Amino acid sequence: EVQLLESGGGLVQPGGSLRLSCAASGFIFGSYAMTWVRQAPGKGLEWVSDISSSGGGTYYADSVKGRFTISRDNSKNMLYLQMNSLRADDTAVYYCAKPFDIVSTEPLGPWGQGTLVTVSS
Amino acid sequence: QSVLTQPPSVSGAPGQRVTISCTGSSSNIGATYDVHWYQQLPGTAPKLLIYGNNNRPSGVPDRFSGSKSGTSASLAISGLQAEDEADYYCQSYDSRLSGVVFGGGTKLTVL
Repeated sequence: EVQLLESGGGLVQPGGSLRLSCAASGFIFGSYAMTWVRQAPGKGLEWVSDISSSGGGTYYADSVKGRFTISRDNSKNMLYLQMNSLRADDTAVYYCAKPFDIVSTEPLGPWGQGTLVTVSS
Repeated sequence: QSVLTQPPSVSGAPGQRVTISCTGSSSNIGATYDVHWYQQLPGTAPKLLIYGNNNRPSGVPDRFSGSKSGTSASLAISGLQAEDEADYYCQSYDSRLSGVVFGGGTKLTVL
């Protein structure tokens, strides 16, 4: 069974940093691209970032480009999101998600349970 | 403002059929990129409901169906059940933005 478990969320001040982690199991992690999606409280879904299976290709939404960095460690089955220069509008539940099939980055499924990031002073 | 436009809410009585629209543009749905649909039950993570415009993952009831035409797509739910009450999101890819795009979501209320 595929499992994705996010961690690392919490309360951080504006301008601060946070590193999210996603522990993957139940599939050959190194064969799949991976994605981060966020959801602000009471709002819709927003794609944040993708990373290729090898980690050599990374892609970002304009809203986080230059501030967030996606990475992965295939030897540990781990996905990461380093978030710097955090702003209030980065407050959201952050989900990691696996592509439904191996050949593309989408559609997404399954998803982890999410980790809440709150940016506030 | 989401790139893909969905109605904020729809409702229907048990047993009825409802549809949820998803309108895009020539850089996403109209550019022949596939449309996918997700169901998010209250307090839970999204779940893939329809992929590749009209395909259901294993375990999704055939009451759920998808279609796509031009720059729009639709999700239909027939035989509405109380457990279908959830938020539904469409998703595609946008070539102008070079990334995944979602609709704003539609809240389905079962009366």
